Amino acid sequence: GAVVSQHPSRVICKSGTSVKIECRSLDFQATTMFWYRQFPKQSLMLMATSNEGSKATYEQGVEKDKFLINHASLTLSTLTVTSAHPEDSSFYICSARRIWETQYFGPGTRLLVL
Amino acid sequence: GENVEQHPSTLSVQEGDSAVIKCTYSDSASNYFPWYKQELGKGPQLIIDIRSNVGEKKDQRIAVTLNKTAKHFSLHITETQPEDSAVYFCAASNWNSGGSNYKLTFGKGTLLTVNP
Repeated sequence: GAVVSQHPSRVICKSGTSVKIECRSLDFQATTMFWYRQFPKQSLMLMATSNEGSKATYEQGVEKDKFLINHASLTLSTLTVTSAHPEDSSFYICSARRIWETQYFGPGTRLLVL
Repeated sequence: GENVEQHPSTLSVQEGDSAVIKCTYSDSASNYFPWYKQELGKGPQLIIDIRSNVGEKKDQRIAVTLNKTAKHFSLHITETQPEDSAVYFCAASNWNSGGSNYKLTFGKGTLLTVNP
């Protein structure tokens, strides 16, 4: 299957700072990338969908000014958590897909905000 | 929108036994049903998927069945091994939706424990 990477795998930051997470499709060009959030022992919650060169579409209840998503190329999407607070601590997972093909997930990024 | 229910939430089996996880969906437009395995601290890994034009698909010890009329699909794992222990998620989507309209709706997951 296709390979999706994320960087960093885990990050610890102070409250009020911003954190950027990168998602890359390594061996294919992704027309669409997705960002999910997962709390312990829960399912994946879709935060936003982004298509290359377009603005991201955010799910209801997700603050677009807090979670900035940039899909600059067909292999790279970034999620920036701005002014992070302890309640933003979570496991963030991206996925990527070529049109008409299935969705492949990255390994996730563990964010801890102190 | 789509709603996916998954049962059971936890499942414990002895090594060598079979495991079955069931999901139901609500949107008759859904036509693509993947299953993901997630190990602790890792991202979900696609293990098998099925489209609505077939009723069953098998890949070695793993099989998925789909009943479109009843709107339910199931994951079957035979000859379970300790390394099968993980959380399994079912999902549903409309494969024909493009761009931002395409999204997976996940079940809440099943924690499978295979005891040696």
